This record gives sequence, C-alpha cells and structure tokens, in this order.
Amino acid sequence: EIVMTQSPATLSVSPGERATLSCRASQSVSSNLAWYQQKPGQAPRLLIYGASTRATGIPARFSGSGSGTEFTLTISSLQSEDFAVYYCQHWWTFGQGTKVEIK
Amino acid sequence: EVQLLESGGGLVQPGGSLRLSCAASGFTFSSYAMSWVRQAPGKGLEWVSAISGSGGSTYYADSVKGRFTISRDNSKNTLYLQMNSLRAEDTAVYYCAKGSGYSGYDPTSTFDYWGQGTLVTVSS
Repeated sequence: EIVMTQSPATLSVSPGERATLSCRASQSVSSNLAWYQQKPGQAPRLLIYGASTRATGIPARFSGSGSGTEFTLTISSLQSEDFAVYYCQHWWTFGQGTKVEIK
Repeated sequence: EVQLLESGGGLVQPGGSLRLSCAASGFTFSSYAMSWVRQAPGKGLEWVSAISGSGGSTYYADSVKGRFTISRDNSKNTLYLQMNSLRAEDTAVYYCAKGSGYSGYDPTSTFDYWGQGTLVTVSS
C-alpha cells in the first residue's frame, strides 16, 4: 500500500507571498498525483491532476510539479480565498493535508 | 454543469444501517466510475469505495469491507452506499465523487467533481 505524506502540516503565509507545499509517496507513483483544495464547510475541489495539469477553471497562480515520489504544489501569490487545506492524492490514497493559514 | 447531490445521512445507533444516495446530472453517468469518500470530524479525507461505470466491478477500503455495499442505477443516474453494522468510527461526512475514467481500478484516475456531502453520525 502506497502512503502519501504531506509537509508541513501547517503553513503560515502572508497574502501576496508564495506558498510551497510538499507531498511524498512511499514508492513511485509516476505522474499520477492530484491536488485538492478544501475550504471549511465545503467539498474538496480538484486543482491539479497528472502532477502538473491544472483542472478546469483553476487560476494560473496554482502550479504542480514533480514525478516519482516527490511532488510540489506552488501558489505563486496567495490570495485571501486560497487559505484552505490542501490534499495530495494518488489512486485511492490521500495525504493527511496541509493547512495554509494567514500569517 | 456536473452536479452531485447526496442524501440519506443522519443519526443511527451502533450496529444500525443506513443507505446513502447520490443523484448525478450534467454528464453521461454510465461512462464514469464513482466513489464514496468520507471525512471524520476535523480529520482528513478517506476513500471508502468505488464502482466502475457499468457497476460490474466494486472496490472497498479494508475499514468497510464486508459491511458496506456500493451500487449504482445507471437508468436513474444514482449512486448508492448501503452501510450496515455501523460503528462510532464511521461517523463522518460522506461525499460522492466522480472518477475521471470508466474503470474504478485505475491508478491514473482522479476525483474531478464532488457532491456537497451528507453527515452520518453513529451514536447511541
């Protein structure tokens, strides 16, 4: 069973700054990695699939990179609406999430 | 526009049963795998079960295997989750999620649309 590990658990960032979130797989998942955003009281929303392809309607400030076991989600300039919890996912396994909070 | 609307959640006693439904619209339902994903209060996301587009193949997390049954009615564009022998640890918001492909057994698949969720509380 592949385990997905996200870091850090919490990231404190000021609006307008860059945020970098990490996700590590316990074995290679090639580029089969997705990122989701979840705001309080809402369902998750697909942001990135195939490690680096933005889903429909996702702003260009969100970008994904990586392959194999190491992946990164970058938010280039945080907007107020970006403060949320972010999950990585491979197949049926989710990471434990990274909360991006206002610094 | 893709829409997924869950229903059927509520309060149930330990050992009880509940059936969740998810009404889908805005896409060719039978062409896509569907899943249930749950989230315990204050916790992360946990995949529960998946079903292929035809309904002929089903998959379960170890935590629910033998207790939960996923099914679909493609004529009604509806996904179901029958939950039996419920435990306190099954308490969660249950989301239905559309898969990006037909097969439920596909490591390249993602969950591209989600419903708003329905809360299941197991407590005496």
